[in-house]
Amino acid sequence: QQQVKQSPQSLIVQKGGISIINCAYENTAFDYFPWYQQFPGKGPALLIAIRPDVSEKKEGRFTISFNKSAKQFSLHIMDSQPGDSATYFCAARRQGGKLIFGQGTELSVKP
Amino acid sequence: NAGVTQTPKFRILKIGQSMTLQCTQDMNHNYMYWYRQDPGMGLKLIYYSVGAGITDKGEVPNGYNVSRSTTEDFPLRLELAAPSQTSVYFCASSYSPGNTGELFFGEGSRLTVL
Repeated sequence: QQQVKQSPQSLIVQKGGISIINCAYENTAFDYFPWYQQFPGKGPALLIAIRPDVSEKKEGRFTISFNKSAKQFSLHIMDSQPGDSATYFCAARRQGGKLIFGQGTELSVKP
Repeated sequence: NAGVTQTPKFRILKIGQSMTLQCTQDMNHNYMYWYRQDPGMGLKLIYYSVGAGITDKGEVPNGYNVSRSTTEDFPLRLELAAPSQTSVYFCASSYSPGNTGELFFGEGSRLTVL
């Protein structure tokens, strides 16, 4: 049972463009929604996160939009750069701390 | 700052063999986790531990075992390896699931079972 569904599986964006990755969740008991970034050969690393009582959070070029009623959240990368090319995972945290991850999105930013 | 260290980075096993993936962290984190990553499937939780001597199953525990005798170490044991266990394995740790509950990951162990 996939409790966090992520799309698209892969994404190609031109340099300077906007990258958008979407996630939907099923369990309303989730209390924290992080995004992790993973470069080839490395482990994932926390990029940005949001709590369900906030509709938007921005850190530099990265923004999370959160729609609690629709049980959806998305990552927007503004002015995408080739250095942003990586795999991105959304996640949702259950009470007790366990993270449930989405399937991942492989982002490629073309120069 | 070593963070989370996993060994080995690569390993090839024959069907039916057993092995242990090692994980150690130097951040004095109470919580430790093992995930497996398969293409298009994301990260699946295998086992986790909330402190020395305490472990529990995650989403996909079958075929694996863990132990947590110290705060620093959380080895993952594969018994009777099967091709379905071909994957990249990540160990992670966190100080507490509260607040940000940020997970710190190791660089992964790529296992192939032939």
